[in-house]
Amino acid sequence: NAGVTQTPKFQVLKTGQSMTLQCAQDMNHEYMSWYRQDPGMGLRLIHYSVGAGITDQGEVPNGYNVSRSTTEDFPLRLLSAAPSQTSVYFCASSYFAGEGYTFGSGTRLTVV
Amino acid sequence: QQQVKQSPQSLIVQKGGIPIINCAYENTAFDYFPWYQQFPGKGPALLIAIRPDVSEKKEGRFTISFNKSAKQFSLHIMDSQPGDSATYFCAARGKDMRFGAGTRLTVKP
Repeated sequence: NAGVTQTPKFQVLKTGQSMTLQCAQDMNHEYMSWYRQDPGMGLRLIHYSVGAGITDQGEVPNGYNVSRSTTEDFPLRLLSAAPSQTSVYFCASSYFAGEGYTFGSGTRLTVV
Repeated sequence: QQQVKQSPQSLIVQKGGIPIINCAYENTAFDYFPWYQQFPGKGPALLIAIRPDVSEKKEGRFTISFNKSAKQFSLHIMDSQPGDSATYFCAARGKDMRFGAGTRLTVKP
């Protein structure tokens, strides 16, 4: 099925560990982004990309890295996990910047 | 500092009622205003969207009202049903997409 695929669905990390959250879409969307969702704070933009090779920071980029080597994939790297990064992470994609986003099903990350 | 302010945080209505969720923004460069619906354990899904050159858009039971001069927009759900119980997010697009904090809607049978 066409859509946005996020892996893993759940992850527990220890403080200081690193990991990569995967995001892939098969709709040929140019625009991709990463959000984190925390209770009472809605969805906050971490990083986004307007096309392969182009990325930019959102509202809360500290502690996260991204790259966009292909149109399909947009991985999010946590460099050194902290308890404050415990959250649900969503990847989204669209043809034009944010217009008619398709969201993935999310990754629930716990940092202990 | 949130660029899109959403209220109320939670809302309870009876079946058939008309819940109204409000959003306000400051950035006049925003040019696209969508609403998303999210069920527990799922990603948000686009519900309806409006551009600032129209004052109202209706799709089925969902209506967006847009007031450009006040920099406010709202979502109305006509004849609400228990199946509409979900979290609703407003958003606004400038160079990227910013979301409100969300409204948890409960529709009681």
